Amino acid sequence: AQSVSQHNHHVILSEAASLELGCNYSYGGTVNLFWYVQYPGQHLQLLLKYFSGDPLVKGIKGFEAEFIKSKFSFNLRKPSVQWSDTAEYFCAVKTAGTYKYIFGTGTRLKVLA
Amino acid sequence: ETGVTQSPTHLIKTRGQQVTLRCSSQSGHNTVSWYQQALGQGPQFIFQYYREEENGRGNFPPRFSGLQFPNYSSELNVNALELDDSALYLCASSSGTSDWNEQFFGPGTRLTVL
Repeated sequence: AQSVSQHNHHVILSEAASLELGCNYSYGGTVNLFWYVQYPGQHLQLLLKYFSGDPLVKGIKGFEAEFIKSKFSFNLRKPSVQWSDTAEYFCAVKTAGTYKYIFGTGTRLKVLA
Repeated sequence: ETGVTQSPTHLIKTRGQQVTLRCSSQSGHNTVSWYQQALGQGPQFIFQYYREEENGRGNFPPRFSGLQFPNYSSELNVNALELDDSALYLCASSSGTSDWNEQFFGPGTRLTVL
């Protein structure tokens, strides 16, 4: 069965620090990959997605993620975090052509001002 | 444009009872997916409805059932509630079922089963 692992459950950073959140998935076929973010008191929203092509994808608010097929990974990065990036981040995988998203357990990021 | 809305916001039930949760999809969206998010976990896919038909289902027992109406709003029904059903239930809508159709999430309904 497909699974998604997010290695860091809680991350605390100071403003301007660099961020990298790990995500690994277990399925070997064609996948669609996503990062979602949930800011305090807000809905889950899409941060970025990868379907095919350039493995380095850019999302909103300066976030980017790199798909490394050989490592089954889709890590999220941001060069310099801001206090407003405090949120919970979820990695999700979907087998291409299907309806079922598999989410990781999430990473709570706290950015100290 | 109105986003995805869910009702009620919070609900408390006792074991064995039945519950109905409601979701209004975003304007123009014909596909609704339901997720269960237990505390400390990511959302788990329950099922998806497309044009009033169940389009796919996750690993949930039959006591989890749903409906989609002609206006594409949707209901999630859970019978014979168990303590482990306590969770945040999320609804997400999209304008279709293809890989390219982004899903938009609602705020969720928090269900507590005592």
